[in-house]
Amino acid sequence: QQPVQSPQAVILREGEDAVINCSSSKALYSVHWYRQKHGEAPVFLMILLKGGEQKGHEKISASFNEKKQQSSLYLTASQLSYSGTYFCGTDNQAGTALIFGKGTTLSVSS
Amino acid sequence: DVKVTQSSRYLVKRTGEKVFLECVQDMDHENMFWYRQDPGLGLRLIYFSYDVKMKEKGDIPEGYSVSREKKERFSLILESASTNQTSMYLCASSLLRYFGSFEETQYFGPGTRLLVL
Repeated sequence: QQPVQSPQAVILREGEDAVINCSSSKALYSVHWYRQKHGEAPVFLMILLKGGEQKGHEKISASFNEKKQQSSLYLTASQLSYSGTYFCGTDNQAGTALIFGKGTTLSVSS
Repeated sequence: DVKVTQSSRYLVKRTGEKVFLECVQDMDHENMFWYRQDPGLGLRLIYFSYDVKMKEKGDIPEGYSVSREKKERFSLILESASTNQTSMYLCASSLLRYFGSFEETQYFGPGTRLLVL
């Protein structure tokens, strides 16, 4: 039931791009992306609703393929501040809580 | 801004003690959640509540109970703490039961790092 995130870890230099994937074995209504810095609470980045919608937030964008039950997070021209662990939370519209993947750790160095 | 607060950032308890973790949200949210976070396992849902006095089990409810007497407050109770309950505990809240718009997501508190000796 827990969505699968890939890759588990990414190491980048400043300015490089990364893609983080999230896939579910269940039909999805929405996908929520969060970033967590060490020792802090997860911070909401964006929500993707069913309909194949793509959203953007600064240089971070995401897509949602409802048919494939997948979402991808795109980080372009990465900055040092992008370092952290990224989680996807999935919702199958059952009126329950988000179920989170195990996270992808992103390390950006100068 | 949504604010979710947790009573303690760090807590050290002894095996067998009864432990209360408190969470308060100030945005009149209907839903509240408790997760635990462990390295390599991500966030796992313990319990959630979509109304006062209502509770639903999550994926790992064993060894835990919850209480929601007021809308803004959701407590996690470890009846008899054990060392395998050493973890980071995160509380969250959301506006409505179903996520239907771009504002309806879960907002997290800062977390309580619990050590059971």
